[in-house]
Amino acid sequence: AQTVTQSQPEMSVQEAETVTLSCTYDTSESDYYLFWYKQPPSRQMILVIRQEAYKQQNATENRFSVNFQKAAKSFSLKISDSQLGDAAMYFCAFCSFNNNDMRFGAGTRLTVKP
Amino acid sequence: NAGVMQNPRHLVRRRGQEARLRCSPMKGHSHVYWYRQLPEEGLKFMVYLQKENIIDESGMPKERFSAEFPKEGPSILRIQQVVRGDSAAYFCASSPGASGYNEQFFGPGTRLTVL
Repeated sequence: AQTVTQSQPEMSVQEAETVTLSCTYDTSESDYYLFWYKQPPSRQMILVIRQEAYKQQNATENRFSVNFQKAAKSFSLKISDSQLGDAAMYFCAFCSFNNNDMRFGAGTRLTVKP
Repeated sequence: NAGVMQNPRHLVRRRGQEARLRCSPMKGHSHVYWYRQLPEEGLKFMVYLQKENIIDESGMPKERFSAEFPKEGPSILRIQQVVRGDSAAYFCASSPGASGYNEQFFGPGTRLTVL
């Protein structure tokens, strides 16, 4: 069974600085997808970034980028130039190519200090 | 194109009552997923449905919980004889095809409180 681990329950960053959120996962599959979701206080799940395992190039979305290390089964999220609106819970998620259920980590609460 | 809609947004039930949670997927989406989020935890997969079929219910508790996605109308997650441990946020997501390749779009969730 696939598991997703986020080892940082809470992280803090100064506004305009850079922060990296960690995520590791366990799977025996070779084809899968990885996601980072943001959940602000409104509780709406917002997709931040997505990575296909077969792609070696790390995904990037504006200030958000990932460091995908397939051999190490690591998928960290880097937020550059942090903004107050980035404060939220961040969830790492795994979805295999064949199964349809998404596995989520326990989340990291990010605080942005002005 | 409206997003995934869930209602009610908040639901309060007393122990032993039934809870019905509704999810209307995005237009054109025929795949629906239900997740449960306990306080301070991540989302846990419950069930995956396509129109009129349950595809994967491996995350669904064996008793009291059921889900359906009829040919017409929203998907329903039904919890019978609720207990305090059922208090959680229940999220629905939809996708146009089998997930992984197709992004799941999440609804705003239903917060169930059992008194």
